[in-house]
Amino acid sequence: DAGVIQSPRHEVTEMGQEVTLRCKPISGHNSLFWYRQTMMRGLELLIYFNNNVPIDDSGMPEDRFSAKMPNASFSTLKIQPSEPRDSAVYFCASSQGTGGEQYFGPGTRLTVT
Amino acid sequence: AQSVTQLGSHVSVSEGALVLLRCNYSSSVPPYLFWYVQYPNQGLQLLLKYTTGATLVKGINGFEAEFKKSETSFHLTKPSAHMSDAAEYFCAVSRYGTASKLTFGTGTRLQVTL
Repeated sequence: DAGVIQSPRHEVTEMGQEVTLRCKPISGHNSLFWYRQTMMRGLELLIYFNNNVPIDDSGMPEDRFSAKMPNASFSTLKIQPSEPRDSAVYFCASSQGTGGEQYFGPGTRLTVT
Repeated sequence: AQSVTQLGSHVSVSEGALVLLRCNYSSSVPPYLFWYVQYPNQGLQLLLKYTTGATLVKGINGFEAEFKKSETSFHLTKPSAHMSDAAEYFCAVSRYGTASKLTFGTGTRLQVTL
């Protein structure tokens, strides 16, 4: 079975540009999570969805960040406009049920110059 | 609110030696506890989890962890370290019934030397 799929794996962009990260969760999973990982701040939960509905977006750093989940098999995380401090590895994870373990994708390494 | 504290951001052991990575949690309700491993340039992979029942949990790659409620701990151990165990390890806690939202610790980087 395919795991969580993220694209692109690497993204290099200039400050001010729009960036869209994509995630396909594991089929049948009903929760989806977006994380950001940096050396300085470690692993941070940005937002999570349950049954395609955003449940907690308190980790979204600011209005430049937005996330959508139009259906059970696809989610996007958008940064507009991007800034150098957004450079990080962004992970998507999915899970099924309550209290269940999360399965992580390989991540998208974002570099904003 | 829940939280996790991992003691020691870096741990170094010799190959063949005991691995002990410490994790303490804080939770107002019975917790679910997890250990994840992250190899360089990869996502996090579940090592093991505790939900209910037996307090000694066995995971992949020879790792195990014991849930000790009285000590609010969930330390990760492996009897004999292998070079391939070098990675970053994260302890995490979730609250039953909250769609699996995890609170992660800051991670412990394990170095294995010859």
